Amino acid sequence: GDSVTQMEGPVTLSEEAFLTINCTYTATGYPSLFWYVQYPGEGLQLLLKATKADDKGSNKGFEATYRKETTSFHLEKGSVQVSDSAVYFCAFNNAGNMLTFGGGTRLMVKP
Amino acid sequence: DSGVTQTPKHLITATGQRVTLRCSPRSGDLSVYWYQQSLDQGLQFLIQYYNGEERAKGNILERFSAQQFPDLHSELNLSSLELGDSALYFCASSVGSTYNEQFFGPGTRLTVL
Repeated sequence: GDSVTQMEGPVTLSEEAFLTINCTYTATGYPSLFWYVQYPGEGLQLLLKATKADDKGSNKGFEATYRKETTSFHLEKGSVQVSDSAVYFCAFNNAGNMLTFGGGTRLMVKP
Repeated sequence: DSGVTQTPKHLITATGQRVTLRCSPRSGDLSVYWYQQSLDQGLQFLIQYYNGEERAKGNILERFSAQQFPDLHSELNLSSLELGDSALYFCASSVGSTYNEQFFGPGTRLTVL
């Protein structure tokens, strides 16, 4: 069935390091892909999205490219900050209604 | 701030009880979604309402029910509560019924003792 697999955390980085969080999906058809971020004690915020193959979503220095051939949507940032510490969720919308989420990856950035 | 509001923020209750969680969508949004976030199951879609009608159903237990009112706010009713129902319950809203961005509320943390 439909599913999202993302790397388990926690991912611990020093400030200004390069970030990659891997995400692959299993879905029929052509889903829309999303990254959501959850800061401590808060709800989910949409970070970026891509709706078709080769689209690149970007926001706040984060980027992810919709790779249909590898069914992947890896999240990257060139230089992380302490304020980026949060849990990141990869998700897709295939059936038109529900979002299917990965398990989340906790990112910890140390000064 | 997403514009989606949820009340209460925290809820502590006992097994066997019934609770109601409330959600107000963003202004102009017609769809409301409910999700459950638990340690063992992760984030799971429960149910969607669009303009007052049930539109999609996910892994929602029979003990749970929801509705959307004419003013578009929604309520999620959880009954005969069990310890395993302890979780964060999120509401999200979107403009349309399909393939739209969903904006999430801050969640209601339910603890069943």
